[in-house]
Amino acid sequence: EIVLTQSPGTLSLSPGERATLSCRASHTLSSTYLVWYQKKPGQPPRLLIYGASSRATGIPDRFSGSGSGTDFTLTISALEPEDFAVYYCQQSSSYTFGQGTRLEIK
Amino acid sequence: QVQLVESGGGVVQPGGSLRLSCKASGFTFTTYGMHWVRQAPGKGLEWVAFIRSDGSDTHYADSVKGRFTISRDNSKNTVLLQMNSLKVEDTAVYFCAREETSSMFGVVISHYFDYWGQGSLVTVSS
Repeated sequence: EIVLTQSPGTLSLSPGERATLSCRASHTLSSTYLVWYQKKPGQPPRLLIYGASSRATGIPDRFSGSGSGTDFTLTISALEPEDFAVYYCQQSSSYTFGQGTRLEIK
Repeated sequence: QVQLVESGGGVVQPGGSLRLSCKASGFTFTTYGMHWVRQAPGKGLEWVAFIRSDGSDTHYADSVKGRFTISRDNSKNTVLLQMNSLKVEDTAVYFCAREETSSMFGVVISHYFDYWGQGSLVTVSS
């Protein structure tokens, strides 16, 4: 089973700054199976990126995904106040999630 | 518009049973696989179960295998999660989610959960 490890656990940044979130797979993963979600308290997860780099419908272009093999990255180019949340990567071959990165306001 | 509405959550004692329901609307239910995902208090997301669009195939997380059963009634646009032998560690908000796929040259190359319900809280406590 492929295990996903996200880092850092918590990222403290200010609005306007660039955020870089990492997701590392324990084994090589086809990029088509790497997905990113945003989760806010009291809300369901929101699909951001699928296939490692394809933005979901309605997702602002400040969100971008990249990577291949075992290393994948979610980048938020300039943080907006509504972007502070927990972010999860998922490998959709067996559906498991990473443990999440909490993006908090500095 | 696509809607997924969960129901059936509540408080149950350890060893008890509960059945969650997810009513879908706004899309052709019979063409989509469906999933259950849960989030325990203060914890991350955990995938629970999957059922194929026609109900012919199911998969489960190891943590619930043998205790939970996913099923669907395509005549009622509903997916169910029967939870038996519940444990304290099953306490969580349970979300149903629709699986979308991307294909290239007729081959599915990507799976992802594009729509989610608001969730149903299950509390297992004595």
